Amino acid sequence: ETGVTQSPTHLIKTRGQQVTLRCSSQSGHNTVSWYQQALGQGPQFIFQYYREEENGRGNFPPRFSGLQFPNYSSELNVNALELDDSALYLCASSIQGEGPYEQYFGPGTRLTVT
Amino acid sequence: DQQVKQNSPSLSVQEGRISILNCDYTNSMFDYFLWYKKYPAEGPTFLISISSIKDKNEDGRFTVFLNKSAKHLSLHIVPSQPGDSAVYFCAASENRGTYKYIFGTGTRLKVLA
Repeated sequence: ETGVTQSPTHLIKTRGQQVTLRCSSQSGHNTVSWYQQALGQGPQFIFQYYREEENGRGNFPPRFSGLQFPNYSSELNVNALELDDSALYLCASSIQGEGPYEQYFGPGTRLTVT
Repeated sequence: DQQVKQNSPSLSVQEGRISILNCDYTNSMFDYFLWYKKYPAEGPTFLISISSIKDKNEDGRFTVFLNKSAKHLSLHIVPSQPGDSAVYFCAASENRGTYKYIFGTGTRLKVLA
């Protein structure tokens, strides 16, 4: 069974640029959630995708957007990057539809905005 | 407003002894709670969960206790091992048809050999 994978591992971007981060869900999982983890903080929920639709969103501006594909892989897009967007971005996959669930995280993408 | 709080940034415990990690929350609508362990350069690893209809869940060396009236949960690790040294996060979610987890800031556990 393949776990959750994310690419790239590290990324450096300049303020104002756009970035796309990718996530492959664990086999059999139909839901993906994205989190931002700033240094010294816990992961903060960005949004969740289920059946290719956004299924919930945290307190993040619209310049954070996402996609989920038919194979349940996902992308996180961030436009007009700001310095405060520098963080570890985590995706987590799960099986939704039968009550509460455990999420399984990937190793994350470290984004640095200069 | 931090809905999930882990007030101890760090904890050191001797190998073989009990580690107790605490988590407090403010939202009485939280329905499900998870504990995660995170090593450097890795994503969080799921450890154990508990539903609000229970007050205890046990899995091997790990036990989670939930006190709903106090809005408090704790993770007990017995016996503690050096490999348990990591950052531990608690997370909570309401049941609104979907589960959006709110994480605490984490507690760094160091188990001393």
